[in-house]
Amino acid sequence: KQEVTQIPAALSVPEGENLVLNCSFTDSAIYNLQWFRQDPGKGLTSLLLIQSSQREQTSGRLNASLDKSSGRSTLYIAASQPGDSATYLCAVGGNYGQNFVFGPGTRLSVLP
Amino acid sequence: NAGVTQTPKFQVLKTGQSMTLQCAQDMNHEYMSWYRQDPGMGLRLIHYSVGAGITDQGEVPNGYNVSRSTTEDFPLRLLSAAPSQTSVYFCASGRNPYYEQYFGPGTRLTVT
Repeated sequence: KQEVTQIPAALSVPEGENLVLNCSFTDSAIYNLQWFRQDPGKGLTSLLLIQSSQREQTSGRLNASLDKSSGRSTLYIAASQPGDSATYLCAVGGNYGQNFVFGPGTRLSVLP
Repeated sequence: NAGVTQTPKFQVLKTGQSMTLQCAQDMNHEYMSWYRQDPGMGLRLIHYSVGAGITDQGEVPNGYNVSRSTTEDFPLRLLSAAPSQTSVYFCASGRNPYYEQYFGPGTRLTVT
């Protein structure tokens, strides 16, 4: 059974820092991995989707990498801003009844 | 283009009552799914559909029914509400399970 973990559970950094969020999964036979952002009381917003054949994806200040063989993905946020404060979730897609398995999330606070 | 919409935003039910959570998308996506999000449990898949007329169970289907008569709509029915169904419910859609998933804003349900 696929299990997804995210470290750290919570992170607080001063504005301007570069930071890395980690996602680990137990079964490397994945189709893709998606990073989401969730603001308090809101739905999930897709940030980046990496297909299993890709090593990384970039969007603005965000860069996500994928290492299938080691079961890891990282989300790199450059020059963090207070508006980046949210919970970040990773979700792994594979042959699990055609659905995504979500990690528990990392709650990020960027202090002005 | 409204994306994924959910109604209602909030609902309070008494134990034993039934209700339907509505979900609609205007992106012509074949794949739609329902998740529940609980503190400490993350997002868990309830039911999903790969197209009109086709539905299947996810990880936690008990107490819920779904149907998919059109591509656009995927309602979730609670047959006899129980306090254990107090949660935040999210609907999502995508071209298929292996593409980017788009989430609705959620329905916060309380069962007393």
